Formats: sequence, structure tokens, C-alpha cells
Amino acid sequence: AQKVTQAQTEISVVEKEDVTLDCVYETRDTTYYLFWYKQPPSGELVFLIRRNSFDEQNEISGRYSWNFQKSTSSFNFTITASQVVDSAVYFCALTSSMGSARQLTFGSGTQLTVLP
Amino acid sequence: DAGVIQSPRHEVTEMGQEVTLRCKPISGHDYLFWYRQTMMRGLELLIYFNNNVPIDDSGMPEDRFSAKMPNASFSTLKIQPSEPRDSAVYFCASSSLRGPKNIQYFGAGTRLSVL
Repeated sequence: AQKVTQAQTEISVVEKEDVTLDCVYETRDTTYYLFWYKQPPSGELVFLIRRNSFDEQNEISGRYSWNFQKSTSSFNFTITASQVVDSAVYFCALTSSMGSARQLTFGSGTQLTVLP
Repeated sequence: DAGVIQSPRHEVTEMGQEVTLRCKPISGHDYLFWYRQTMMRGLELLIYFNNNVPIDDSGMPEDRFSAKMPNASFSTLKIQPSEPRDSAVYFCASSSLRGPKNIQYFGAGTRLSVL
């Protein structure tokens, strides 16, 4: 069985602060994919990043960066110099590439509020 | 290219009524997923299709729920009869083996309220 844990239910920061959202996953598969999605107040789910289990390189995209560590089964997401527009619920998700198992297993989400 | 399109965005109905949610996946995508989001259970997969064929419907809560995909560009999720506990946001997502694999792109969702 697969499981994604986002222990932080809510985080509140002041604009320009850095913030890290934690994600811990469980899977027995050796090949899998990890994702982050953003759900702004408007409600849609926006894809942010995908990482496969063979690629442990950290990734930076503008103010966003992701730290994938297989040794601790973690895939953490950092927003640098946060902005009010970053306020949203962020979901970490996991899928296996084995067979037809293509469903995404989502964490419970972290509500990020960036205060002006 | 247009994203996943869901309709309606909001649906308010009375208990016992039939509800039909619609989804148009991204053109060329061969996987289509229906998810439900509630406060209590979070995001959960209901059913997914590959090339219009249902592959896994183990997440469909009960027989009142049914989903169809008559062609590659259209899918429906039907609830009959609806109950107040069906109130949730229903998302449709699609993905393709041809592009970056396993990336699911979501529609804006349908917020269903059953009174």
C-alpha cells in the first residue's frame, strides 16, 4: 500500500519569509513518481513538479525548490521569499509506474497562508 | 491546448435527484481519472479509464455512482439517486503515455451540493 504524509496541516508566514512544506511517503515499489500540486483559493489543482525515484537531484524553479531524499523517504518543497499569491493548499502525491497502477495517492495537504 | 474541461462548475440539487458531471480531457490523452475531494477523506480516486475502458472502479463508493466514457473526448460521472453525503468537489484529470508519463492534469472541478 502507498501512503503520503503531510504532517503540517497549516502554516502561516509573513511575506518574504522562506517556508518549507514537508512530505513523507511510503511505498514498496522501487520505481515511483512524486508530485506536488497547488490548490489556490479558486479551487483548481495545478501541477507543479514531478520527480521519479531514480532522480535524487534537487530542483530549483524560480522561487520554488524541491529536496528529494530516498534515504528518508521525503520530498520537501521550499518557497523562497514567499508572496501573498503563494497562499494555497499544497498537496504531495505519489504514483507507481508498475503495471496499470496509475492512481495518485495524495497527502492530506498543507494550507499555506502568506500574510502581507 | 485547452486543459481539462469540467461542467458544471457548481451544482446544487435535492436529495434523490440524478446528477451528471461532465468532463472533456486534454486532446490526445489516453487516461482519464475521476477524483472526489472532501474535508473528511481528502482527495480520493473514484475510477479511471484507459483508452475509454474502465480499468479500476474500486473507489466508486456504491452502486449509485456510475461513470462512462463513450469516446476519447468525453466522460460522465452520474449519481442516482444523490444523497447529502455525496456533497464534495469532483475532479476530472487526464494524462498521456506519449508526453511526460504519469503527470495528471486536473480540471477546475465541480462543486456538488446535495440538499
